[in-house]
Amino acid sequence: KQEVTQIPAALSVPEGENLVLNCSFTDSAIYNLQWFRQDPGKGLTSLLLIQSSQREQTSGRLNASLDKSSGRSTLYIAASQPGDSATYLCAAGPGRAAGNKLTFGGGTRVLVKP
Amino acid sequence: EAQVTQNPRYLITVTGKKLTVTCSQNMNHEYMSWYRQDPGLGLRQIYYSMNVEVTDKGDVPEGYKVSRKEKRNFPLILESPSPNQTSLYFCASSLAGAQPQHFGDGTRLSIL
Repeated sequence: KQEVTQIPAALSVPEGENLVLNCSFTDSAIYNLQWFRQDPGKGLTSLLLIQSSQREQTSGRLNASLDKSSGRSTLYIAASQPGDSATYLCAAGPGRAAGNKLTFGGGTRVLVKP
Repeated sequence: EAQVTQNPRYLITVTGKKLTVTCSQNMNHEYMSWYRQDPGLGLRQIYYSMNVEVTDKGDVPEGYKVSRKEKRNFPLILESPSPNQTSLYFCASSLAGAQPQHFGDGTRLSIL
């Protein structure tokens, strides 16, 4: 059974500092890994999706890497801003065979101080 | 605008009173899922559907029913709600297994 862990559970940084968010998973037979952002009282916004054949994906200030062999993914957010304050969730996807179910980590709550 | 729409957003009800949470997507997605989010337990899949008339259980299906009669709609039915179903519920959809999943804004259910 896939287990996804995110450490730390919470993180506070001053504005401008780079953010590094970690995600680890136990079963390397994933189809893809997706990073989400969740704001209080809101749904999940998809940030990046990395296919199992890829090593990384980039979108603006965001960069996500994937190392299947070690069961790790890292989300980097460059030059953090107060608007980046949110909970960040990673989720491992096993693909069609398992109904495209995502197994989520517990999330990292990020606070960027002005 | 591409979106997943859930209704209602908030509901307080009593044990045993049947309720339905609707979910609709306008992206012609094949896959749709329901998740619940609970403190300390994270997000867990309840049911999923790979296409019209094709549904299957996720990790926590007990006490829930779903149907997929049309591609765009995937309602979640609680036939006899109980307090342990108090939670934040999310509907999600995706074009295929390789594509990002899109989530609705959530439905907060309180069962008294």
